[in-house]
Amino acid sequence: AQSVSQHNHHVILSEAASLELGCNYSYGGTVNLFWYVQYPGQHLQLLLKYFSGDPLVKGIKGFEAEFIKSKFSFNLRKPSVQWSDTAEYFCAVNARFSGANNLFFGTGTRLTVIP
Amino acid sequence: DTEVTQTPKHLVMGMTNKKSLKCEQHMGHRAMYWYKQKAKKPPELMFVYSYEKLSINESVPSRFSPECPNSSLLNLHLHALQPEDSALYLCASSRDTGLSDQPQHFGDGTRLSIL
Repeated sequence: AQSVSQHNHHVILSEAASLELGCNYSYGGTVNLFWYVQYPGQHLQLLLKYFSGDPLVKGIKGFEAEFIKSKFSFNLRKPSVQWSDTAEYFCAVNARFSGANNLFFGTGTRLTVIP
Repeated sequence: DTEVTQTPKHLVMGMTNKKSLKCEQHMGHRAMYWYKQKAKKPPELMFVYSYEKLSINESVPSRFSPECPNSSLLNLHLHALQPEDSALYLCASSRDTGLSDQPQHFGDGTRLSIL
């Protein structure tokens, strides 16, 4: 079955630690890849997106992600997290075969940053 | 602040009530979406409108009735809901429905509680 997997359900880090959140998808063909963040009580915000070109994409707030096509992965990274990064992080995929407007979300990873 | 505005922010209703959720965007986007998000779960697509026409209905029960009166507005009419329908209802918009027209921009959501 087609899916988006986020294997880390809850990650707890101290401030200044490095972050990597995993995302794997199982769709073939052309895909758009996204990371969204949802701060407590707030709306989903786009952190970064990959459509084509350079597989290393930089987003807002110091986040970046690397698309590795051979591994069907799009992992999110940040070299040094801050307390304000505490939030829920969702990986999402648009796949052409399914109709471009169907955005499939992973189950989310809750990040808690301890001051 | 998000550019997609949803009202109301919170709604409590009985199972026999009729209410409507509203969504508005002024970015000139031609695709609009309704998602349902249960607690600690990712958003799930309900409906997609493209150029004010319903293009996707993800097998949503008829007690949810979407309406797109114009390109800036999207409504979700609710009638005879069940307690399991309690959730956060998210509206999103994108330039169009093609892969190159992403990403989707999300509103803050309406938190719906069914008594």
